[in-house]
Amino acid sequence: DGGITQSPKYLFRKEGQNVTLSCEQNLNHDAMYWYRQDPGQGLRLIYYSQIVNDFQKGDIAEGYSVSREKKESFPLTVTSAQKNPTAFYLCASSPIPDRTSGKRGEQYFGPGTRLTVT
Amino acid sequence: GEDVEQSLFLSVREGDSSVINCTYTDSSSTYLYWYKQEPGAGLQLLTYIFSNMDMKQDQRLTVLLNKKDKHLSLRIADTQTGDSAIYFCAEILYSSASKIIFGSGTRLSIRP
Repeated sequence: DGGITQSPKYLFRKEGQNVTLSCEQNLNHDAMYWYRQDPGQGLRLIYYSQIVNDFQKGDIAEGYSVSREKKESFPLTVTSAQKNPTAFYLCASSPIPDRTSGKRGEQYFGPGTRLTVT
Repeated sequence: GEDVEQSLFLSVREGDSSVINCTYTDSSSTYLYWYKQEPGAGLQLLTYIFSNMDMKQDQRLTVLLNKKDKHLSLRIADTQTGDSAIYFCAEILYSSASKIIFGSGTRLSIRP
C-alpha cells in the first residue's frame, strides 16, 4: 500500500525533553511538510523540504528541527525550546507543484501524532 | 496577499444539502482543493478544481468556482452523519517555492 505513515499515534513527554516524531512516505514524492494543529484551529506550517538534504522554515519553525537524509523520511524534533509543544502534528508529502508541467502538487497527509508534554 | 478564509461552523439536518464556502485572494492560483478531516485523523483530499472550470461534480460532491469574486464552495448532497468533519479549502501558489495555503477549516455538524 502506498501512503504516509507517522509514528507513534500518541506520544507523552516530560517538559524539557526533546522528542522526535517519525514520518515516512512511499509515494515517491519529492516534497514533504510538517504542520501543527491546535484544538479548533487550522494548520500551521513548521518546516518543509523539496529535496534531500535541504529544507526551509515555515511560519512557526522556532523550537523545532528537521532533517531530510532520505527522500522517504522527514523526521521532526520538538526541542525543549518550543514553549507550547502539546499539539497534533501532521506530516504530508506531495509532488513538487509546477505550473508549466501541470503538476498540481496536492498534499497527502499521514494520520498524525498527538504529542502531550507535561 | 496569501489568505484563504472560511466560516468556522456549519450545522445541517441529516438528508439536507450542506454548502461550505471559501474565499481566496491570489488570482494567479490555478488549483483549488477541498480536504476533509475526521476527528483525530489526518486530512483526506476530497476533490480539486482547475481555475478554468466553473463547476466539478463527483457523486454527492459539487464544487463551484466564481473566479470574479474569488469564491469557492463545496456542496454535499444528502448529508449523512459520516459527513461530520472539518472541511478545509486550499489553494496552490505557484512560485519559486510553490506551496499550498490552507483555510482555517469549517466544522460541519449534522443534526437528526
